[in-house]
Amino acid sequence: GAVVSQHPSWVICKSGTSVKIECRSLDFQATTMFWYRQFPKQSLMLMATSNEGSKATYEQGVEKDKFLINHASLTLSTLTVTSAHPEDSSFYICSAITTSGLTNEQFFGPGTRLTVL
Amino acid sequence: DQQVKQNSPSLSVQEGRISILNCDYTNSMFDYFLWYKKYPAEGPTFLISISSIKDKNEDGRFTVFLNKSAKHLSLHIVPSQPGDSAVYFCAASVVGGRRALTFGSGTRLQVQP
Repeated sequence: GAVVSQHPSWVICKSGTSVKIECRSLDFQATTMFWYRQFPKQSLMLMATSNEGSKATYEQGVEKDKFLINHASLTLSTLTVTSAHPEDSSFYICSAITTSGLTNEQFFGPGTRLTVL
Repeated sequence: DQQVKQNSPSLSVQEGRISILNCDYTNSMFDYFLWYKKYPAEGPTFLISISSIKDKNEDGRFTVFLNKSAKHLSLHIVPSQPGDSAVYFCAASVVGGRRALTFGSGTRLQVQP
């Protein structure tokens, strides 16, 4: 089946630093990748939609200058949390849709736990 | 404004019995619905989906029912097994749109041996 990986799986950083999270589709090409965030005991909330070769579309309330998304290839999207603060501590999950576009199924990565001290 | 709601935060059932997880939605534009299973610190795992043109979809022990008039769907797990214990998320999407998913808040299912 389709596999999506994320790296790192967890990261601890100091307040004010930037953190980059990678999302890769390992065995398929993804024209579209999504970034979600989940706070403890809450639902997954869509942050942004990332299309290969174009600018990401951010959901309302998500700062695009803080959460930089780059979808440079059909298998890689990156999320950079710039100047991270403790309130950015969360579980970040990416998902990808295949280029075939025939299915509405999204394949999710295992997530990245970010802790900002 | 929560467009997808799972009003039961938790559910406990005995092994072998049926588990019924419920989900309601408010956006009539949604036309594709999915159920995901999730463990802590892991990504969601796809279980089953249903298109709005159907009212039932079955896959092994999992059956999803969709009632469009009530904007309600449910996931039935029969028979429930201890390995089914996890958090279950209902999600909805618009096929013709960006296909981003709108998730419910999840229901924690615990299957007692």
